[in-house]
Amino acid sequence: GAVVSQHPSWVICKSGTSVKIECRSLDFQATTMFWYRQFPKQSLMLMATSNEGSKATYEQGVEKDKFLINHASLTLSTLTVTSAHPEDSSFYICSAGTGRIYEQYFGPGTRLTVT
Amino acid sequence: AQSVTQLDSQVPVFEEAPVELRCNYSSSVSVYLFWYVQYPNQGLQLLLKYLSGSTLVKGINGFEAEFNKSQTSFHLRKPSVHISDTAEYFCAVTPYNQGGKLIFGQGTELSVKP
Repeated sequence: GAVVSQHPSWVICKSGTSVKIECRSLDFQATTMFWYRQFPKQSLMLMATSNEGSKATYEQGVEKDKFLINHASLTLSTLTVTSAHPEDSSFYICSAGTGRIYEQYFGPGTRLTVT
Repeated sequence: AQSVTQLDSQVPVFEEAPVELRCNYSSSVSVYLFWYVQYPNQGLQLLLKYLSGSTLVKGINGFEAEFNKSQTSFHLRKPSVHISDTAEYFCAVTPYNQGGKLIFGQGTELSVKP
């Protein structure tokens, strides 16, 4: 149990286009979803926290107009990188929380390359 | 504010040797503590967590960690490593009052050599 999927696993896009990444909890309802960004050989940095049906809370320094997060249901959250640029190339990982603050499950990640 | 420091960025070790990955944290509020493992191009897998009670926590794959409140440490240990343990290891904390937000250390790359 407690499986989180992400789609796509790899995406290459051209500079200026937008990319949507999906995060799904497959066998539980996720009251909260978290989006992280990871640069090569570095740690995970929290970008935003989203609760179903409400606006996402962004971490300081994260552009909310560039990284659009939607949490439309208890099993699906999406991250849209708008007008992507090469510096947005990174590994994006989502996690889904069960409601217990000490319990969240991570997706396999999405590798975004902007050319 | 909270911070997590992993004292070693890289730890090379021979197969079947013991290993310790060190983690210290700083927080003005109580936290839960975690160790995660990340294999190349994959998400994170939980190794173990400390919530309360016994300070020695056992996890998957033969790993264990000990919470030391006075030293604000949560070091990860394994008595005998395998080649398959080669991966990146992250220590993390989540404060009681921040809805599950995880703060990660910088990561330790464990490299097990034959």
